[in-house]
Amino acid sequence: GIQVEQSPPDLILQEGANSTLRCNFSDSVNNLQWFHQNPWGQLINLFYIPSGTKQNGRLSATTVATERYSLLYISSSQTTDSGVYFCADSGGSNYKLTFGKGTLLTVNP
Amino acid sequence: EAGVAQSPRYKIIEKRQSVAFWCNPISGHATLYWYQQILGQGPKLLIQFQNNGVVDDSQLPKDRFSAERLKGVDSTLKIQPAKLEDSAVYLCASSPRITGELFFGEGSRLTVL
Repeated sequence: GIQVEQSPPDLILQEGANSTLRCNFSDSVNNLQWFHQNPWGQLINLFYIPSGTKQNGRLSATTVATERYSLLYISSSQTTDSGVYFCADSGGSNYKLTFGKGTLLTVNP
Repeated sequence: EAGVAQSPRYKIIEKRQSVAFWCNPISGHATLYWYQQILGQGPKLLIQFQNNGVVDDSQLPKDRFSAERLKGVDSTLKIQPAKLEDSAVYLCASSPRITGELFFGEGSRLTVL
């Protein structure tokens, strides 16, 4: 199945800073999604973005499908942005959504 | 619109006992997933249903885990007998179609002693 590599594994920011998280995929992307897992464990879908760019408030995401990677941008970070960010995709040959290991983001006040 | 409902939220059992988790997906969502998330790791797919048929169960330990989705709506995941390494959060998710946006429930946290 598809391999999903996320970077960086950990990130510590001061409130107000910007950040970029990256996902690389070993196979073609067709079902790419970004999630945020809050400190209470709830997984929230941030973007469904198999290609192109989307924005939602301070968050935006870009997927370059031809090069098999996606970026998540967080601007003017807030303490509530803390948690683990996951990307996931199913690859070109099946429907099984595979997750990366995540990026642990800590935003300090 | 109601989200994905899961129960129980927490369960503590001893090894070799059995446990069952229930999931009710978002109304109208044809695809239902059970994921296992061990602390510090990303979710791992256990089984995926499309309506009441199984799409993928390649990572389901079938000697101890079973899942069903009768009538293509709610689903039950069972573990019997449980092992210590089954301690994890069991996440249910649903999607309107086989490739589409996933919506997760709050999860069921299992501790096996």
